[in-house]
This record gives sequence, structure tokens and C-alpha cells, in this order.
Amino acid sequence: EAGVAQSPRYKIIEKRQSVAFWCNPISGHATLYWYQQILGQGPKLLIQFQNNGVVDDSQLPKDRFSAERLKGVDSTLKIQPAKLEDSAVYLCASSSRLAGGGNEQFFGPGTRLTVL
Amino acid sequence: GENVEQHPSTLSVQEGDSAVIKCTYSDSASNYFPWYKQELGKRPQLIIDIRSNVGEKKDQRIAVTLNKTAKHFSLHITETQPEDSAVYFCAASTGNQFYFGTGTSLTVIP
Repeated sequence: EAGVAQSPRYKIIEKRQSVAFWCNPISGHATLYWYQQILGQGPKLLIQFQNNGVVDDSQLPKDRFSAERLKGVDSTLKIQPAKLEDSAVYLCASSSRLAGGGNEQFFGPGTRLTVL
Repeated sequence: GENVEQHPSTLSVQEGDSAVIKCTYSDSASNYFPWYKQELGKRPQLIIDIRSNVGEKKDQRIAVTLNKTAKHFSLHITETQPEDSAVYFCAASTGNQFYFGTGTSLTVIP
């Protein structure tokens, strides 16, 4: 089966500019996650969708970050305006419910954002 | 919310030796514990996982143990090889959300 797709793979912008990332999850996966991974750290959850509804966005900096998953499939994450500290890899992941509970999560290749 | 701690942050072993990485979690509701391997510049890849109704799981050279009472779980890699060099992340899930450890950079010295 095809994996999680993300684009672009790399993006360089100047601070105060806007940027958008796109994610296409594994077919049939209802849950979609956006993570921020700063160099040398573990992934930090930004937002989690179940179908087209938001499950958790408690760590999303809502003054500058937004995300949507309008049709319950693809998702976009936007940063406006970007700050230097937003430089990171943005990982999208999707998961399916396992029999007996729990979810197995698969990651996309990520988008490496550099803010100058 | 859940808090996952991971140790050590770096680990160097000689090829052929074993490597052990340990994680603790705080939320007793967590019931799924995956381990991911992330090579430089690549995505995290699931290498093994364990559910709360199991104490140990093994897949060739990789094993994971879980102690629910103490709220800790460990990754064991035996007969390490240079290609095992990577960053390893543990995670704990309450069934929908995932909380990651800070990662362990493993270096296997030939």
C-alpha cells in the first residue's frame, strides 16, 4: 500500500513570510497527525484530526499556525507569519485502529522548513 | 497529560554487543507502546510495538519489555550491527494520541 505523502520536501522562507504544507494519509486511515520535530528532539504533536474533526490542537500556536482537513482525507498545515524558531521538520502521520485497541502510526517523509 | 522520559540520550556500543534503551511513562491509561527508528534525514519507522496486555515481545534481534506496574518499557537490541546506528524514539499511546520520548542516538562501532 502507498505510504503517507507530503509536499514539499524542503522549503526555505524568510521570517514573516507564509508557508503551507500538504499531507495525504494512507488510504482509509481516519486519524491524521501533524508533528513538529526540531533538530535533536522527538516529534511534538501540533494537531490531530479524526476524519475532518479536530481531536487535539492544544500545542498548536494558533496565533500563527492553522490546519485543516476539510474532506477528511488530505490535510494542509499553514504558518503565517513564520518565525525563526519555526525551523524544523514537519511530519505528517496517519493511523488505523488496531484490533484489540491502540493505533499503529505511520509517518510521511516530512517537510524540512528553514526560516531565515 | 502523558509524560514520557527516555534514557540514555546517547549510547555507543561495539558491534555484536547488546543495546538497551529505557522509557518511563506517567499515564496508567496508556496501553500501546511503539518504538521508532529514525535514520538521519529520514522519517521515523516503526520497528516494534507492544500492547499493555503483553509483557514481552520479540522480533529477531529486537525485543521490547513492558512493566505496567512500574510504568516503564525497554527496547533491547542484540548482536548490534553498524546499520542499527540511528535515533530511536519510544512512545506511549492512550489509544489515540501519541507521546514521544526525547530520543536515543545509538552508535554501533564496527
